[in-house]
Amino acid sequence: KAGVTQTPRYLIKTRGQQVTLSCSPISGHRSVSWYQQTPGQGLQFLFEYFSETQRNKGNFPGRFSGRQFSNSRSEMNVSTLELGDSALYLCASSPIAGGADTQYFGPGTRLTVL
Amino acid sequence: AQSVSQHNHHVILSEAASLELGCNYSYGGTVNLFWYVQYPGQHLQLLLKYFSGDPLVKGIKGFEAEFIKSKFSFNLRKPSVQWSDTAEYFCAASGSARQLTFGSGTQLTVLP
Repeated sequence: KAGVTQTPRYLIKTRGQQVTLSCSPISGHRSVSWYQQTPGQGLQFLFEYFSETQRNKGNFPGRFSGRQFSNSRSEMNVSTLELGDSALYLCASSPIAGGADTQYFGPGTRLTVL
Repeated sequence: AQSVSQHNHHVILSEAASLELGCNYSYGGTVNLFWYVQYPGQHLQLLLKYFSGDPLVKGIKGFEAEFIKSKFSFNLRKPSVQWSDTAEYFCAASGSARQLTFGSGTQLTVLP
């Protein structure tokens, strides 16, 4: 099975712009979660989607949003970019909803905000 | 609040040395525990996981971890490390939701 794929892999934007990141989960996986990884804050949960609905949300401002499509693919959007949004954004997919579950991570999108 | 602590930020070992990385968690209710590894330039990969049952869990590449409920710990071990084990190791936990809470990570450097 192909793993989690994320596009683009690298992105450079300037302050004030907005950006959309894409994630395709492992085939058959229905849950997609997003995480932000920075040297200072480490790995932090952004949100999770299952059945096109946001199930959980982390402690991030409303500038961070996402959605999931009927084929389980997900997009994450960040509006009005700030320098502090520079990070590696990771997508993870898992097969089931509810109960113990394992998340499998993609390679990430490295976003640089200038 | 849910939290995961990794107290060793950087560990340096020689090849063939034994490894133990500490992980402590603070979670209410049922907890699921994971160790992930991030090799240089690669994405996060699952090493092992604990959901329930036998508290001694074996993972890939000779790694194992022991869940000690009384100590709120899930330490990672390997009897003999190799240069190729050089990587960053993350302990993570989840509860009833799939949201993972990660520790700050431990950078392991294995000297040849």
